[in-house]
Amino acid sequence: DAGITQSPRHKVTETGTPVTLRCHQTENHRYMYWYRQDPGHGLRLIHYSYGVKDTDKGEVSDGYSVSRSKTEDFLLTLESATSSQTSVYFCATGRGASGGRENTGELFFGEGSRLTVL
Amino acid sequence: QQQVKQSPQSLIVQKGGISIINCAYENTAFDYFPWYQQFPGKGPALLIAIRPDVSEKKEGRFTISFNKSAKQFSLHIMDSQPGDSATYFCAASIYNFNKFYFGSGTKLNVKP
Repeated sequence: DAGITQSPRHKVTETGTPVTLRCHQTENHRYMYWYRQDPGHGLRLIHYSYGVKDTDKGEVSDGYSVSRSKTEDFLLTLESATSSQTSVYFCATGRGASGGRENTGELFFGEGSRLTVL
Repeated sequence: QQQVKQSPQSLIVQKGGISIINCAYENTAFDYFPWYQQFPGKGPALLIAIRPDVSEKKEGRFTISFNKSAKQFSLHIMDSQPGDSATYFCAASIYNFNKFYFGSGTKLNVKP
């Protein structure tokens, strides 16, 4: 299994407070992703990174920012949390698919961080 | 707008039966279609994947059927077992861009 650690695993916070979720990987994967999982919506991409300091927006990026200063760490920040951001957040990593068929493009997921915004 | 539409939302199958989950997409640039399996309290894990140059891929009891002209693909679980009870997600990406879009998930319950 890819070594992906998310912290914190559970957090309860109040509306308007800043929150940072951390994803740490030991696999030296180039790509890192933040998804949120909500009933009826599946997994929705928030932001992703294709290298150190290289990030891009996903489907639901409003209200979120990310930073990647090292290959192994990808931080997700909610500058001012709202109740609509109550969710389970998953970090994922990947080597990145390329032309060679031996590279499957597989994503490896952490175990999730459950965030409740009151 | 959801890039990948998945159905059904939930599915109950008897042990030994066939489970079928369907997905559809609109973006014809997608060229990589994985399925992920998620157990409660865990992150999703890759189950099987297909690229559009083939119409079917089989790994053990799991088969992906792909219909490029209809822009649809499906997961078939043969001889379904209680241990297959999990949530299944289809996904799509443009292979070299590594940006993955997931369906809304199907919760499968296989009854003994």
